[in-house]
Amino acid sequence: NAGVMQNPRHLVRRRGQEARLRCSPMKGHSHVYWYRQLPEEGLKFMVYLQKENIIDESGMPKERFSAEFPKEGPSILRIQQVVRGDSAAYFCASSLAGSYEQYFGPGTRLTVT
Amino acid sequence: SQELEQSPQSLIVQEGKNLTINCTSSKTLYGLYWYKQKYGEGLIFLMMLQKGGEEKSHEKITAKLDEKKQQSSLHITASQPSHAGIYLCGGTDTNAGKSTFGDGTTLTVKP
Repeated sequence: NAGVMQNPRHLVRRRGQEARLRCSPMKGHSHVYWYRQLPEEGLKFMVYLQKENIIDESGMPKERFSAEFPKEGPSILRIQQVVRGDSAAYFCASSLAGSYEQYFGPGTRLTVT
Repeated sequence: SQELEQSPQSLIVQEGKNLTINCTSSKTLYGLYWYKQKYGEGLIFLMMLQKGGEEKSHEKITAKLDEKKQQSSLHITASQPSHAGIYLCGGTDTNAGKSTFGDGTTLTVKP
């Protein structure tokens, strides 16, 4: 049973470009969470999604960031017009419905040049 | 929203020594977990605690949760260089949903 998968593992974007980060949850998991870890900082919650539904986006920046978890396919975290301050490790976690046990992916390291 | 504070921020110990990392929540937690992160890598799940007063051990690592479910400690016995890394505590205040994390404790073990 594969764990949570994230791709790409490393992503380099120039300022102003778009970044798309993908997360495939563990088999059977219908809930996905995205977290961001800025350099020298802890993990910060961004958004919590179920299939086709955003449950909690209280940690998402108001502009340029969006997330989706479609009925089919991976969850996508999209960052438009990236800036240097977006450089961070972005982690995805998944869980079963109604469970607080979250399993983390290896992360995507975004570098904005 | 709940806040999790970890202490110390960093720790350097000699190989073979014992150490303790603490995690304090501003609210009663539903569940608390400990993760280890190697620099530049993902999170490795260590332990999860849910019941007040619960204690769990795995190899040389023991985690405890106090009765009020607001304070946890992670204790490593006879530390080894393989224990080095960043230890993160995370918690939820409901039975599902987002987790809040402490800022981490960076552990260095000197051979």
